[in-house]
Amino acid sequence: AQSVTQPDIHITVSEGASLELRCNYSYGATPYLFWYVQSPGQGLQLLLKYFSGDTLVQGIKGFEAEFKRSQSSFNLRKPSVHWSDAAEYFCAVGPASNTGKLIFGQGTTLQVKP
Amino acid sequence: DTAVSQTPKYLVTQMGNDKSIKCEQNLGHDTMYWYKQDSKKFLKIMFSYNNKELIINETVPNRFSPKSPDKAHLNLHINSLELGDSAVYFCASSQGGQGATDTQYFGPGTRLTVL
Repeated sequence: AQSVTQPDIHITVSEGASLELRCNYSYGATPYLFWYVQSPGQGLQLLLKYFSGDTLVQGIKGFEAEFKRSQSSFNLRKPSVHWSDAAEYFCAVGPASNTGKLIFGQGTTLQVKP
Repeated sequence: DTAVSQTPKYLVTQMGNDKSIKCEQNLGHDTMYWYKQDSKKFLKIMFSYNNKELIINETVPNRFSPKSPDKAHLNLHINSLELGDSAVYFCASSQGGQGATDTQYFGPGTRLTVL
């Protein structure tokens, strides 16, 4: 069965520090992978997505993610975190069929210290 | 202009009641979704409609019934509400026809509390 694991429930970083949020997936074929961000009281916004090609994907707000097939990972990174990045981050894997069904991880709460 | 809107934003109701959550998208998308986010933040898809046709129907109690009067609207009706239905419900939409490569755009969510 397809699944997504985000090992870190909660992460705190200082403003200006680098950030890496982990995501591991279990999937039977080449996955479609996504990172979404959820700000407090808001819906989810797509940060970036990977379908094929270059394994390093650039997204909005200065985020990037790297697909590593050998490690079944799709970690999200940002070189310098801003206070406004404090939010909930969700990794998701694409569907087994062509239905658009996404399977989400449990999410990682990012807190940014001034 | 809000791309995907949901009403109401908050809904507090008693067990056993019937309630509806409305969703509208003005993006011209063909596919719409309902997700449930539980208290542990797990997001799970419930339903998906493409051009008013049901294409995803996860293992959801039949007390939940989606209704799509047109492709811009996907409403969620819940009968005989139970305590376990308390959650945040998100509507989303995507262009459709491309499956997983579609970007899904999410609404702001409806927080349902069943007392």
